[in-house]
Amino acid sequence: EVQLVESGGGLVQPGRSLRLSCTTSGFTFGDYVMSWVRQAPGKGLEWVGFIRSKGYGGTTEYAASVKGRFTISRDDSKSIAYLQMNSLKTEDTAVYYCTREWVSSSFDFWGQGTLVTVSS
Amino acid sequence: DIQMTQSPSSLSASVGDRVTITCRASQSISRYLNWYQQKPGKAPKLLIFDASSLQSGVPSRFSGSGSGTDFTLTISSLQPEDFATYYCQQSYITLRSFGQGTKLEIK
Repeated sequence: EVQLVESGGGLVQPGRSLRLSCTTSGFTFGDYVMSWVRQAPGKGLEWVGFIRSKGYGGTTEYAASVKGRFTISRDDSKSIAYLQMNSLKTEDTAVYYCTREWVSSSFDFWGQGTLVTVSS
Repeated sequence: DIQMTQSPSSLSASVGDRVTITCRASQSISRYLNWYQQKPGKAPKLLIFDASSLQSGVPSRFSGSGSGTDFTLTISSLQPEDFATYYCQQSYITLRSFGQGTKLEIK
């Protein structure tokens, strides 16, 4: 059974950093692109970024709203994806979901989400 | 960037109704369009990929169509469990993007 479990969310002050983890199981993690999607309270879904598989260079892409502040990485030996968030702003407050990219870059499996609250 | 616009933003319907939600892209995205359902407090669920391919396990009352810039999600006969928010998502370019969502409510 495919499972994705996010952790690391919480309350953080503006300007500080936080690292989220996405621990996965049930599939060959190293073969897949892994994405992060967020959802501000009461709002819609916003794509944050993704990391390609090592076979495609392990490179990353980011939404303009987080580029230069957020970094996605992966540890294929542990089947974990990470989202390092620096210089956090109040507008980064959201539930952060980890997702697996599948056919045509659709997101076929999602974690349960972890809430990040940026507030002083 | 590609902007995705859904209409309507909200919709009231009754059990048994046929419902159509529209998604329009700001430029052609071929058939790189996916649809998701999200219920309150839950992660989104993939319904349709490649504009019209039904994800495994999704009921056949859901269908998708379109290409280029205009797409539709149709629910042929609404069931109580279908009341939720629906999102479209383009995967034509590297920078993915979602529509703003359509909230489907019970009339």
